[in-house]
Amino acid sequence: QKEVEQNSGPLSVPEGAIASLNCTYSDRGSQSFFWYRQYSGKSPELIMSIYSNGDKEDGRFTAQLNKASQYVSLLIRDSQPSDSATYLCAVIGGNTGKLIFGQGTTLQVKP
Amino acid sequence: GAGVSQSPSNKVTEKGKDVELRCDPISGHTALYWYRQSLGQGLEFLIYFQGNSAPDKSGLPSDRFSAERTGGSVSTLTIQRTQQEDSAVYLCASSPDRSQETQYFGPGTRLLVL
Repeated sequence: QKEVEQNSGPLSVPEGAIASLNCTYSDRGSQSFFWYRQYSGKSPELIMSIYSNGDKEDGRFTAQLNKASQYVSLLIRDSQPSDSATYLCAVIGGNTGKLIFGQGTTLQVKP
Repeated sequence: GAGVSQSPSNKVTEKGKDVELRCDPISGHTALYWYRQSLGQGLEFLIYFQGNSAPDKSGLPSDRFSAERTGGSVSTLTIQRTQQEDSAVYLCASSPDRSQETQYFGPGTRLLVL
């Protein structure tokens, strides 16, 4: 079992729709969770961090964390073509203290 | 500087040659990380520096890979006797402290081993 798992996609949504990106992790002791966006040929950039159960909203982005289910998600409201990118979930392992990345989910927002 | 810089941006080399990749972190950032990203894959952790020391080298794939950091700033990742499977994008990131929480990535070095 991978430490951080994501569906590689591609996830295709029409412009204006809600895109839902999901991530599961194996280390139950993990406390810190992050979403990075990576445009093709570019380096990852941090867009959201979340540490407590529940929702955290930042503009069109909402991160959701459920530690009991070991599940973290990212919702993008009013998706735009400029949101088309690969979204990487990253988790700081409770045992290792190391930031572990998932494989990433490719999002395509179609005009 | 304004951000993490890496050089060269692209490197093409022949199998068996040695290569050096350079990372210049954000000024004042004490933590520095190297990752490798193969085509269509996620980020593979290679090594982490806190200051000049490397408390975690667990991700280095073989003894052909080594890294150093001098003056708590610039880091060099060296790959000896390169193999075709070493072809990837090598990303460097830095963060203000050892918490690893906010990592800022450089643009990467695209390595192609022929």
